[in-house]
Amino acid sequence: DTEVTQTPKHLVMGMTNKKSLKCEQHMGHRAMYWYKQKAKKPPELMFVYSYEKLSINESVPSRFSPECPNSSLLNLHLHALQPEDSALYLCASSQGTRELKAFFGQGTRLTVV
Amino acid sequence: EDQVTQSPEALRLQEGESSSLNCSYTVSGLRGLFWYRQDPGKGPEFLFTLYSAGEEKEKERLKATLTKKESFLHITAPKPEDSATYLCAAQNQAGTALIFGKGTTLSVSS
Repeated sequence: DTEVTQTPKHLVMGMTNKKSLKCEQHMGHRAMYWYKQKAKKPPELMFVYSYEKLSINESVPSRFSPECPNSSLLNLHLHALQPEDSALYLCASSQGTRELKAFFGQGTRLTVV
Repeated sequence: EDQVTQSPEALRLQEGESSSLNCSYTVSGLRGLFWYRQDPGKGPEFLFTLYSAGEEKEKERLKATLTKKESFLHITAPKPEDSATYLCAAQNQAGTALIFGKGTTLSVSS
């Protein structure tokens, strides 16, 4: 099983809303990632969790707040987003951070209105 | 600065017309070179990992090769269902994250 599951698939939210994106994997991977992807651009790394600890935060605005409740789950809490935050948000996982053969979820298409 | 560059940006092929996509990299101590396929609105799908120059990997109509400066994704007798964006990414010796190229969008017409 090489599946990373993301929910919801689509999300429309207002600039004053609070919402969460969820990601789950059952491959026993110990590293999980959040990426942001705009149209016709490559994925941009936002956060890296390694062994449930945040190890990389690529200077992402505080309106994005990651959470790793356990080694299988990764959440991204959203608050007071801007229209320019509209994008495809991708979750990925890998065995660890030394070997980056990463498997991606299908993404959440986020629209901020 | 570590960098991954893909060419061409877009490629149009007729069904059965073989071709190659290029991924050039300047990375300090390459630990791995990865190829992904991405369909519109979907997450990237893992295709191959290459670790050292001379290595080759194959899957159906796709074959990936690696030299000390670049990687090629060869597509033999492509079909319309091979249409997608192909992303190349590198991991450097110290890195804990992938360095992505901008991708090549392949369109195969019947």
